[in-house]
Amino acid sequence: TQLLEQSPQFLSIQEGENLTVYCNSSSVFSSLQWYRQEPGEGPVLLVTVVTGGEVKKLKRLTFQFGDARKDSSLHITAAQPGDTGLYLCAGGTAGNMLTFGGGTRLMVKP
Amino acid sequence: SQTIHQWPATLVQPVGSPLSLECTVEGTSNPNLYWYRQAAGRGLQLLFYSVGIGQISSEVPQNLSASRPQDRQFILSSKKLLLSDSGFYLCAWRRDSKLKKGEAFFGQGTRLTVV
Repeated sequence: TQLLEQSPQFLSIQEGENLTVYCNSSSVFSSLQWYRQEPGEGPVLLVTVVTGGEVKKLKRLTFQFGDARKDSSLHITAAQPGDTGLYLCAGGTAGNMLTFGGGTRLMVKP
Repeated sequence: SQTIHQWPATLVQPVGSPLSLECTVEGTSNPNLYWYRQAAGRGLQLLFYSVGIGQISSEVPQNLSASRPQDRQFILSSKKLLLSDSGFYLCAWRRDSKLKKGEAFFGQGTRLTVV
C-alpha cells in the first residue's frame, strides 16, 4: 500500500501569516491532488498536478509537485479565516486507486 | 451534470446489528466508485473501490463488505457491527480514465455511531 504522510497535522495561525503544508511519500505517483474539507462534508478538489516540478497557483495558494513525483507542498500567503479547514493530499496510482494523506487541520484566527 | 447521493446522513446502530449504506451516481456511466472511512479530523482510509459491476477490490481486512449491483450503485454492508466501525463514511466517484488524474467527487458522507 502506498502511503502519503502530511505535515504538520495541526496548524493554528493568525490572519495574514504565511504557511506551508507538506505531503511526502516514498512512492511515485502519476498525479497528486489537493482537497479541502469542511466539517460534515466531503472533500472538494483544489488542484491536480501531474508533471514533476510543476507549480500551480490558485489565488493565494501555491501548489508544487516534486521533481521525482513523490512529494508536494501547499503554500498559503496571507492566510484568512476562510482558509480554515482540513487539507488533504491524494495520490493517483495505477489501478484507479486514490490514496489520501492523513490531513492537515488548519485554523486561521482573525 | 453529475451528482452523487449518499444516505443516510447519520446513523446510530447497536453493536452486532447489520449495516447497509447506499451510494448512487447520476449523470455519468461506468464510473470508478470508492468507499472511504474517516476518523475525526483525519485523512481518508480507502476501504473498497470498484471499476465495474460486480468488481470489488478491498484495501483493508475488516468487518465490512461492498457490492456493486448496478453500474452507478455502490453499497457498503456489514453483517454485525463492531464499536470500531464507528466513523464518517464517504462514497466517491471518478471518471474511468486512463490518465489516472481525474477529480474525485464525494457524497455528503454518513456519520455512523455504533453503540
